[in-house]
Amino acid sequence: SQQGEEDPQALSIQEGENATMNCSYKTSINNLQWYRQNSGRGLVHLILIRSNEREKHSGRLRVTLDTSKKSSSLLITASRAADTASYFCATQKTSGSRLTFGEGTQLTVNP
Amino acid sequence: DVKVTQSSRYLVKRTGEKVFLECVQDMDHENMFWYRQDPGLGLRLIYFSYDVKMKEKGDIPEGYSVSREKKERFSLILESASTNQTSMYLCASSLWTSGGGDNEQFFGPGTRLTVL
Repeated sequence: SQQGEEDPQALSIQEGENATMNCSYKTSINNLQWYRQNSGRGLVHLILIRSNEREKHSGRLRVTLDTSKKSSSLLITASRAADTASYFCATQKTSGSRLTFGEGTQLTVNP
Repeated sequence: DVKVTQSSRYLVKRTGEKVFLECVQDMDHENMFWYRQDPGLGLRLIYFSYDVKMKEKGDIPEGYSVSREKKERFSLILESASTNQTSMYLCASSLWTSGGGDNEQFFGPGTRLTVL
């Protein structure tokens, strides 16, 4: 079964606007991670939030986690054209176990 | 700078050929992973390895095998390539910590394989 599912599948915004992407999952987790993928490239780790955390910030990124709703959101503030990429959430069920990735959200930031 | 490298960015093979995809990491990571990525399906785990000479099946191991003879190298083998194995293949590695731990994965640039 699909553990992480991103919503929306695609998002198009103007430069300077905020972008919000959501991720839902089905089972309990140890942590949830967000990755970014530029077209045709590998994934790059952005941020990790543990199951006992509710919010985390890193530069222009803000991640929230609601374990009661089994969902997370990634907010990119003041977006830039260079933020154009696919964003994936990945869940780790137990400490040290494998990751399960969602299908990703394609973000396009128009200059 | 930490690095995961893959032997080829683009590869074209014929149906029935044996294909080797190589992945090397320089971070002394114990864990290594092979994924394939297809439109609408996200990343799917093929095989992973927690140590030298160890391997575990992921979600879609059929048609693939792996080899981990050295800690830094993890090879994906397509014994007899088929057209439905045309895909982007991504290798990743992560650190293993005693008792588990939160493990971010470091990815290579990917190999786009086309099987004709």
